[in-house]
Amino acid sequence: QVQLVESGGDLVKPGGSLRLSCGASGFIFSDYYMSWIRQAPGKGLEWISYISSSGYVINYADSVRGRFTISRDSAKNSLYLQMNSLGVEDTAIYYCARGGVAGDYFFDYWGPGTLVTVSS
Amino acid sequence: DIQMTQLPSTLSASVGDRVTITCRASESISSWLAWYQQKPGKAPKLLIYMASRLQSGVPSRFSGSGSGAEFTLTVNGLQPDDFAVYYCQQYDRYPRTFGQGTKVEFK
Repeated sequence: QVQLVESGGDLVKPGGSLRLSCGASGFIFSDYYMSWIRQAPGKGLEWISYISSSGYVINYADSVRGRFTISRDSAKNSLYLQMNSLGVEDTAIYYCARGGVAGDYFFDYWGPGTLVTVSS
Repeated sequence: DIQMTQLPSTLSASVGDRVTITCRASESISSWLAWYQQKPGKAPKLLIYMASRLQSGVPSRFSGSGSGAEFTLTVNGLQPDDFAVYYCQQYDRYPRTFGQGTKVEFK
């Protein structure tokens, strides 16, 4: 069965950096677009980035562009999110989610999430 | 960005009720709309895509309709497991955006 498991969430000070990972299993990872979506405590969902199946096409939300970098390693069936210049507004649960084979449309599988807390 | 607005924000209902949630887009998104269910402490779960297509494994009491800028999610015969927060999401263009959520709670 399809499984996504995030890791790397932690408490970090403002201005700090963190790298999140998402391990995938149960499907052909290299066939699918993948995204990161976050949810601030008690708030709604915010899509922040996607990467195409090949890794060549990437897009970001304005709120993270220039600070976050998405990447993938199909040999390791893993998705990553490098987060730099973190601010308190980046405090959230970060989910990796599977998109489609032809594009990043809706998200049919999600990981359980990893909590990132930015605080001094 | 396309703004997604859900109505109501909170809905009080009883087991067996028929409930309807509305999602309005700030511009036309054709049928590029998905619905998710989220329970406390859990990741969202896909219910509906393409406005009206039921995701595999989702009970048939869930249904979606609409096109353009107005959509509805209907639950026919609310079950105890259905009390949760529901989100709509457009995938017509970037950035992908979600509604603010509708909480379905016990009356």
